[in-house]
Amino acid sequence: QKEVEQDPGPLSVPEGAIVSLNCTYSNSAFQYFMWYRQYSRKGPELLMYTYSSGNKEDGRFTAQVDKSSKYISLFIRDSQPSDSATYLCAMSARSGNTPLVFGKGTRLSVIA
Amino acid sequence: SQTIHQWPATLVQPVGSPLSLECTVEGTSNPNLYWYRQAAGRGLQLLFYSVGIGQISSEVPQNLSASRPQDRQFILSSKKLLLSDSGFYLCAWSVPPTMNTEAFFGQGTRLTVV
Repeated sequence: QKEVEQDPGPLSVPEGAIVSLNCTYSNSAFQYFMWYRQYSRKGPELLMYTYSSGNKEDGRFTAQVDKSSKYISLFIRDSQPSDSATYLCAMSARSGNTPLVFGKGTRLSVIA
Repeated sequence: SQTIHQWPATLVQPVGSPLSLECTVEGTSNPNLYWYRQAAGRGLQLLFYSVGIGQISSEVPQNLSASRPQDRQFILSSKKLLLSDSGFYLCAWSVPPTMNTEAFFGQGTRLTVV
C-alpha cells in the first residue's frame, strides 16, 4: 500500500460547481497536511496548510483533515476556469526527519 | 521575501551528453533543498535533498547526482544522459531545521533527452 493515495482523475466540472478533491494515507504519524496547485508546465504552489485534524478555510477553498479515517479533502466552491490545474496533496510527520510525501495529483478541468 | 530561481526552463539534450541544472534560493539562510522529478502519471519523485553545504541524501539510485557547493545553491548533474532521464525537474526549498514544513518550488526545467 502506498503511503499516500490520490485519484489522478481527470476530473471535469462545470463552472460554479463545488469540487471535492481527496487523499488517503496510511501513516498515522502524519500531522501536517498541505495542498498544492500546479498549472501546466509550472512548479507547484502552496495552496493550503493545516495541522492535525479539523477544517481550514481560505476564500473559496476549504481544507479538511480527518485523522481517524486517514483522509484529507480540499473543497473548491464556485469553481472557476482559472482553477483548472493539477492539485497535489502532501503530508509529513511531526518528527520532521523526512521530506514531504506527495500524492500523485488530481487533474481538474473547470469548463466555462 | 524568499525567491527560488531554477534554470534553464527547457532543455533538449542528446543521449550520452552531460547535464547540469542549477537552482538558487534568495532571502533565506541554510534552507533545506530538494530536487524532484515529475513524470506523467507518476507524480513527484524525490531525487535528492540537502540540509547543508556538502550534505546530500539520495532517495533513489539513478544516473543523476547532486551537489551543494554553496549554502543557497543546489546543482543536479549527470555525466551521461539516458532517454529515461527525460522529465520535468523541480527544485524546492523549505525552512530548516526540520523537513516537515511546507516546501516552495521553482518553476521547473523540462528536459527532453533525444
